[in-house]
Amino acid sequence: GENVEQHPSTLSVQEGDSAVIKCTYSDSASNYFPWYKQELGKGPQLIIDIRSNVGEKKDQRIAVTLNKTAKHFSLHITETQPEDSAVYFCAASGFRGTYKYIFGTGTRLKVLA
Amino acid sequence: NAGVTQTPKFRVLKTGQSMTLLCAQDMNHEYMYWYRQDPGMGLRLIHYSVGEGTTAKGEVPDGYNVSRLKKQNFLLGLESAAPSQTSVYFCASSWGDSPLHFGNGTRLTVT
Repeated sequence: GENVEQHPSTLSVQEGDSAVIKCTYSDSASNYFPWYKQELGKGPQLIIDIRSNVGEKKDQRIAVTLNKTAKHFSLHITETQPEDSAVYFCAASGFRGTYKYIFGTGTRLKVLA
Repeated sequence: NAGVTQTPKFRVLKTGQSMTLLCAQDMNHEYMYWYRQDPGMGLRLIHYSVGEGTTAKGEVPDGYNVSRLKKQNFLLGLESAAPSQTSVYFCASSWGDSPLHFGNGTRLTVT
């Protein structure tokens, strides 16, 4: 079945450094890859997404890259700030024409001041 | 604009009791989803709906039922709660091939 693996499960970085979170998906029919940020006590919020016809997308300090051949996609956060501390989830969608979203297991990012 | 609203926010049940979680969205989205979130396991899809009157099973549907009688509402039911259903439940909605909008969750404890 469809599966999304996410690594690492926890990540600590110094303020100002970069953070990278990686995901791998199993179903080659997947065509939409969003990233969500979840703060304590709240639901996940979309921070950036990428579609299968694009290799990279940037939004200020956040970027996502997609390698369709390897079925990998990654989240890059540059110049990290304490408010970036949260749990981040990757997801994949578009399996066989459905709109099911399968999520990775999450990465807890801690930005140390 | 309220977005996705979940009620209740917290609930404690005893084993064998039943309850219904309500999700309401005001964005006219066609698709609605119920996820559960457990430590170390991310968000797992329970059931979803592609439109009013439709439902479909996700990854972990056993022990749950759903209904989508109105486009804006998606109900998740537990007929006989078990301790394994202790979790945080999230509802989400979308147009389909577009980002999910999540509610703020319902924390359920089954003793």
